[in-house]
Amino acid sequence: DIQMTQSPSFLSASVGDRVTINCKASQNINRYLNWYQQKLGEAPKLLIYNANSLQTGIPSRFSGSGSGTDFTLTISSLQPEDVATYFCLQHNSWPYTFGAGTKLELK
Amino acid sequence: EVQLVESGGGLVQPGRSMKLSCAASGFTFSNYGMAWVRQAPTKGLEWVATISYDGSSTYYRDSVKGRFTISRDNAKSTLYLQMNSLRSEDTATYYCTRGILLNWGQGVMVTVSS
Repeated sequence: DIQMTQSPSFLSASVGDRVTINCKASQNINRYLNWYQQKLGEAPKLLIYNANSLQTGIPSRFSGSGSGTDFTLTISSLQPEDVATYFCLQHNSWPYTFGAGTKLELK
Repeated sequence: EVQLVESGGGLVQPGRSMKLSCAASGFTFSNYGMAWVRQAPTKGLEWVATISYDGSSTYYRDSVKGRFTISRDNAKSTLYLQMNSLRSEDTATYYCTRGILLNWGQGVMVTVSS
């Protein structure tokens, strides 16, 4: 199985900060990586698909980059409504696997 | 608007069976592969199974192979997950998802306990 190592596990930042979250795959997954946001008590919501494509309706402050084994989710200017846990998912091969999550809080 | 509404969860004893359903609307169901993803309490996400748009292909994680069956009824725009021989470690919220996990339902809780 492909292991997805996500970092950091926990992140505290201020409104307006630039925030980056990383996912590293244990082998090449090309660009088959999605990013999700999950707020407390809610279902996950797709932010970015195929590494760098912004899902319809998602604010442009969210962006994704990377290919192969190393990927990054960037929030260019953190907003209060961005408090959530973020997960990456590889869908290059079965079984699909998720990162362990990054819990983002406001400082 | 894409809507995915799960049903059929609840409390079940170890070794028993349960069937989840997911009613889909807002898109052409028969054009999309579908999947189930679960999340144990306070834990991360775990892909469970995927079915192709026409039901001809299915994929499972190892821990549920031979116990769970994913299926679909395109005439009813409904996805199913038949879960047999349930174990305590199957306790989780189960989410129905469209395509490569593009849209998610609100989830249904399954608790396996005696």
